[in-house]
Amino acid sequence: DTAVSQTPKYLVTQMGNDKSIKCEQNLGHDTMYWYKQDSKKFLKIMFSYNNKELIINETVPNRFSPKSPDKAHLNLHINSLELGDSAVYFCASSRGLGYGYTFGSGTRLTVV
Amino acid sequence: KNQVEQSPQSLIILEGKNCTLQCNYTVSPFSNLRWYKQDTGRGPVSLTIMTFSENTKSNGRYTATLDADTKQSSLHITASQLSDSASYICVVSTKTGNQFYFGTGTSLTVIP
Repeated sequence: DTAVSQTPKYLVTQMGNDKSIKCEQNLGHDTMYWYKQDSKKFLKIMFSYNNKELIINETVPNRFSPKSPDKAHLNLHINSLELGDSAVYFCASSRGLGYGYTFGSGTRLTVV
Repeated sequence: KNQVEQSPQSLIILEGKNCTLQCNYTVSPFSNLRWYKQDTGRGPVSLTIMTFSENTKSNGRYTATLDADTKQSSLHITASQLSDSASYICVVSTKTGNQFYFGTGTSLTVIP
């Protein structure tokens, strides 16, 4: 019973393509997040949704668009992929603002 | 500026030995500090959470300390095992605005 599941685990794609990463949590959490982990292992928040409402939107290119159809899902769509988008993207969820995270296992995106 | 710095960046120890990882932060106003363990190819998993009034907290062979005056935390691992090989990430959160600040992590390798 995976608590936070991301798909796909690996994604290799060419520059200029559009791709989506899906995230689902079965913990009943109200808040979900997307993080980007760079090559130096630094985790940086991208977006946060609380009950389907966007509450954190850090400075990321507008090529990145999160979509939350319900509070158990937070998908990340990326348009016109660039080489610099290559990274591991982590989805996470929490009971609410200020509570600890449960992370997904990550999606390794490679843009060639 | 709110920052979280960890040291050392990487560490190699023999199985059975103890080690201590450091986390220094300048985050304010402080709410709590968490240590996460991230296995290769996996998402971070919470080890401990410490609030302002807590000095020490243990989780099995992991013991975290917090000195709120000097804004330092340490994670001590006792009798290390091969499965302890992972990245350890320190995360500090603020009381306002649900801000989480991630350290860059310490990569620990335990060798037989």
